[in-house]
This record gives sequence, structure tokens and C-alpha cells, in this order.
Amino acid sequence: DIQMTQSPSTLSASVGDRVTITCRASQSISNWLAWYQHKTGKAPKLMIYKASSLESGVPSRFSGSGSGTEFTLTISSLQPDDFATYYCQQYYVSPVTFGGGTKVDIK
Amino acid sequence: EVQLVQSGGGLVQPGGSLRLSCIASGFTFSSYWMTWVRQAPGKGLEWVANINEDGSEKHYVDSVKGRFTISRDSAKNSLYLQMSSLRAEDMAVYYCARDSGSYRYFDYWGQGTLVTVSS
Repeated sequence: DIQMTQSPSTLSASVGDRVTITCRASQSISNWLAWYQHKTGKAPKLMIYKASSLESGVPSRFSGSGSGTEFTLTISSLQPDDFATYYCQQYYVSPVTFGGGTKVDIK
Repeated sequence: EVQLVQSGGGLVQPGGSLRLSCIASGFTFSSYWMTWVRQAPGKGLEWVANINEDGSEKHYVDSVKGRFTISRDSAKNSLYLQMSSLRAEDMAVYYCARDSGSYRYFDYWGQGTLVTVSS
């Protein structure tokens, strides 16, 4: 199975900060990567697919980049609604696998 | 509006059984692969099982093979996960999710249902 490693595991930031989360794959996955936002007690929400494609309705302050084995999710200006845990997921091969998550909390 | 509404979680003893349900609305259920994903306490997301559009193809994570069965009923727009021989390590919040078209990422998720395995 492809291992997905996210860093950092926790990130403390303030409203207005630029935030970057990294996701690394144990082998090349081309650009078959999605990002999700997950808030406790709620359904995960798709944010980005195909590494850099913004899901409909997702604010433009979110962006994704990368290919091969290294990917990033960037929030250009953190908003109060963005405090959550973010997961990457590869869908290059089955079984799909997720990163361990990055919790973005209030500094 | 696409909705996935889950039910069926609860407390079960080790070795017991439970069936999770997920009722879909707002889209043509029979046109999409569907998936179950779980999150154990303090852990990340784990893919559990998926099923193709007509239910003829099913896949499972190794840890649940032979114990869990995924199924669907297009007449009821429903997805199921029959879980048996439950273990402590199966304790998690289980989510149903819709696969996005031809790709194995998930554009809509249910609200989650908690499965607690304890004596």
C-alpha cells in the first residue's frame, strides 16, 4: 500500500496567517491526490482533487500543488472557519490511503 | 442537494454484529461507486470497503475481509455495511461516501456513525 505522510501533525496559527501543509507519498502518485477538511462531529469535506483542482464552492484562499511524491495544501489567509484537521488522500492505486492528518488550531 | 444519511451504529460486544446503513438522495445512486471509511479514536481516516454501481464488484481492506460485507439496494437508494465478529480495533466512527465519478476520491460524505465495541 502507498503510505501518505503529512507534516506537521499540528499547526498553530492565527487568523490571517498563510498556512502550508505538506503531504508526501511513499511512491509516485502523479497528481492523483485529494485534500479534505474535517471538523469534529461533521462529515469530511472535499477541498482539492487532482492535486490542484478546487472543488466547487471551496473558497479561493485554498490551493493545492505538487506532483509525484510531494504535495502541499496552502491557505493564503486563514479564516476562523478554517480551523480543522486536514487530510490528504491518494487515489492513484487501490487501496486508497490517507495521510495521518494535520490539525490546524488557534495560536 | 446530495445527502447521505447514516444510521445503525451503537454499542456491541466483541464478537458481535452490527449493520450500518446509508441512505442516499439528490443523485442517481445506481450510477456511483460507494465507499465506507472509518476513523478510530485519535486516529486518521481509513478506507474500509467499496462497491461498484451495480453491486457486482466489492473490495475490502485486509483487516475486515471475511468479517464485513458491503452491499447496496438501488431500489432503496441505500448502502450497507454488515459487520460481524467485531473486535476492539473496529471501534470507530464509520462514514459512507460517494466516489467522484471515475475516480476514487470522495465528493460527498455521510455524517458518520459511531461503532463502539466493548464488553
